[in-house]
Amino acid sequence: SQQGEEDPQALSIQEGENATMNCSYKTSINNLQWYRQNSGRGLVHLILIRSNEREKHSGRLRVTLDTSKKSSSLLITASRAADTASYFCATDPIYNQGGKLIFGQGTELSVKP
Amino acid sequence: DVKVTQSSRYLVKRTGEKVFLECVQDMDHENMFWYRQDPGLGLRLIYFSYDVKMKEKGDIPEGYSVSREKKERFSLILESASTNQTSMYLCASTPSYNEQFFGPGTRLTVL
Repeated sequence: SQQGEEDPQALSIQEGENATMNCSYKTSINNLQWYRQNSGRGLVHLILIRSNEREKHSGRLRVTLDTSKKSSSLLITASRAADTASYFCATDPIYNQGGKLIFGQGTELSVKP
Repeated sequence: DVKVTQSSRYLVKRTGEKVFLECVQDMDHENMFWYRQDPGLGLRLIYFSYDVKMKEKGDIPEGYSVSREKKERFSLILESASTNQTSMYLCASTPSYNEQFFGPGTRLTVL
């Protein structure tokens, strides 16, 4: 079953604006990860945040995690047309076996030049 | 760099055919996964394997089987393809409880 729920399902912004995507989940986790998928391609890992972390940065990406609310957000600052893609959150539940992740349905981001 | 390859980018098969999708990773990862991706449904786990000859059912194993005879190779088998198995199939691998590395995907069409 899919645990992560992304919000919004689709987001359209202008180049230079910030993009914020949210993810909610249901069970306790070891970590939460964000992935990016360009149209028709495989997923690429962006960032991992552990359950004892609250915020993490990587370049123009900022991820926050609130385990009390079971939610996370991904912020892309100063967006570029090349950021156009689908973004997925994935949770690593504490009952996990074999490195299995549970993916959400994704947010489609469109950045207009 | 980790590389995960899939045998085909696009595949067209007929109903009832036996279909093999191959996935190979070059980083000695223990865990490998097969997902299917459909619009509005996200990624759904079909099967995964945490060691050679070991396999576990995911969320939607019906109509599929898998084989892992060597650590680097994980095959997905559609014993008798049906039109509702038309989808994007994604393979991934991971060394342990960390990020997954994905292949480029195989878009399968069953006519």
